[in-house]
Formats: sequence, C-alpha cells, structure tokens
Amino acid sequence: KAGVTQTPRYLIKTRGQQVTLSCSPISGHRSVSWYQQTPGQGLQFLFEYFSETQRNKGNFPGRFSGRQFSNSRSEMNVSTLELGDSALYLCASSLGSSGGAYEQYFGPGTRLTVT
Amino acid sequence: GENVEQHPSTLSVQEGDSAVIKCTYSDSASNYFPWYKQELGKGPQLIIDIRSNVGEKKDQRIAVTLNKTAKHFSLHITETQPEDSAVYFCAASKSGTYKYIFGTGTRLKVLA
Repeated sequence: KAGVTQTPRYLIKTRGQQVTLSCSPISGHRSVSWYQQTPGQGLQFLFEYFSETQRNKGNFPGRFSGRQFSNSRSEMNVSTLELGDSALYLCASSLGSSGGAYEQYFGPGTRLTVT
Repeated sequence: GENVEQHPSTLSVQEGDSAVIKCTYSDSASNYFPWYKQELGKGPQLIIDIRSNVGEKKDQRIAVTLNKTAKHFSLHITETQPEDSAVYFCAASKSGTYKYIFGTGTRLKVLA
C-alpha cells in the first residue's frame, strides 16, 4: 500500500498571504489528522477529520482551517500568514474506527516558510 | 491540561549498548501510547505502541513498558546500531479521540 502523501513538500510564502496544503491518506483510511511541528513547540495537534466532518480541534486560531473530501483526501488552509506559522505541517492517517486511540501513520510533511 | 513529559532530551550511547527513554503523562484517561522515530527530513514513523491493558510489549530489539499507576511509560532499545540514531517521540491518546499529545522528543545518537 502507498503511504501518506503530502503536497507540496516545500513552500515559501510572504506574510499576509494564505496557503493550502494537501494530504492523501493511506488507501482505506478515513481519518486524517494534522499536526504542526516547530523546534520551539514540538508536535502540536491542529485538527482531525473523519467522513468529511471535523471531530477534534486543537488550540490554534481560526486562521487555521481544514476540510476533508468524500475520498478522504484532506486540505488545510492557513490565512493571513504570520512569521510564526513557519513550520513542518504533518498529516497523519488512520482507519478512524469509532472509539479513537488507534495507530496513526504520518506523511513526510510540508515545510512552510513564511518570509 | 494534557501534558506529556519526555526525558532525556538528548542521549548518546555506544553501539551495542541499550538506550532508555522515559515519558510521563498527566491525563489518567489516556489509554494508548505510541512511540515514533523521526529521521532528518522525514515524517515520524510508528515503531511500537502499547495500550493500557498491557504492561509490556516487545518487538525484536525494541520494547515498551507501561506503569499506569505512576503514569509512566518507557522505550527500551537494546543492542543499539548507528541506524537507530534519530529523534524519538512518545505520545499519549485516549479512546474517543485521535488527538495525540506528544512529548518533546529525545535525540538519540549511537556512536560507532
């Protein structure tokens, strides 16, 4: 099976712009979670989607949003970019069974640099 | 709030020696504890996990132990090899959510 794919792998944006990142989960997986990884804050949970619905949300401002499509692919959007949004954005896929607490498999990430 | 503490932040061992990384979680409702290995330029890779109904789990040179009473869990790597060099993260999660709370990571260096 192919793993989790994320596009693009690298992105450079200017402050104030917006950006959209894409994630394709492992075939058959219906849950997609997004994490932000920075040297200072580590790995932080952004949100999780299952069957096109957001099931969980972390403590990030409303500038961070996401969505999931009927084929389980997911996108996350960051509007009005700030320098502090520079990070590695990771997508993780899981079967998504009810009850949670199951294995998540990560993609390679999208490295976003805001200048 | 939910928190996972991880120690040490860096660890250097000689090839062939053992390495131990420890984590403590705060939410007593946590019942799933995965460990990830992250190499430079890559996403985290799941290497082993344990659920709260099990005290220990082993997979070849890697083992994880869980002490629910103390809210501690640990990763043990035996017979370390240079390719074990990476950053290791512990995490905690609980039923009903796919939200992982991650530790701050341990940079393991295996010296040949």
